Amino acid sequence: DIQLTQSPSSVSASVGDRVTITCRASQDISRWLAWYQQKPGKAPNLLIFAASTLQSGVPSRFSGSGSGTDFTLTITGLQPEDFATYYCQQGNSFPFMYTFGQGTKLEIK
Amino acid sequence: QLQLQESGPGLVKPSETLSLTCTVSGGSISRSNYYWGWIRQPPGKGLEWIGSVFDSGTTYYNPSLKSRVTISADTSKNQFSLKLNSVIATDTAIYYCARHVRILAYWGQGTLVTVSS
Repeated sequence: DIQLTQSPSSVSASVGDRVTITCRASQDISRWLAWYQQKPGKAPNLLIFAASTLQSGVPSRFSGSGSGTDFTLTITGLQPEDFATYYCQQGNSFPFMYTFGQGTKLEIK
Repeated sequence: QLQLQESGPGLVKPSETLSLTCTVSGGSISRSNYYWGWIRQPPGKGLEWIGSVFDSGTTYYNPSLKSRVTISADTSKNQFSLKLNSVIATDTAIYYCARHVRILAYWGQGTLVTVSS
């Protein structure tokens, strides 16, 4: 099974900062990686798919990059509404298995 | 606008069967080329894919849960369902339904199911 490891597990930052979250896959997943944002009490919300394609309606301060085993989510110019938990998810094993990273909690400094 | 809504009991006794239904509106689950799946999240923890159904019949399950899970679709009601049998306390979680292919673009709001006597 493909495992996804996110780092850091939590990060503190201020409004206006630039934050980078990484997701490492245990084997090559090409570009089949998505990022989700989850706020308390809400379902995850798709931000980025295919490693770097922004989902419709998602602000351009969010960006993704990477391929193979190493991926990053970058938020440039943090806004108050960005403080949430972020998950990566691999779709390489589709349709037989889907796995998520353990999550990264982005907190206000 | 596609919408998914989970429904079912919020409390299930240990060893019994957890049963949930996802009602889909704004789109058809049949002949859609989409997968209809279930994901769960224990309180304060991460996300776990449970399984999915495609084209009203073909199913895919997480190997770690496969022996206890059944997912089915009822196209006449535009619903799909989850049954998880022999539940234990660690099955307590928010259960989400979702429409997906390689990525999960549409989610229901989730429903908390607690396993307790």
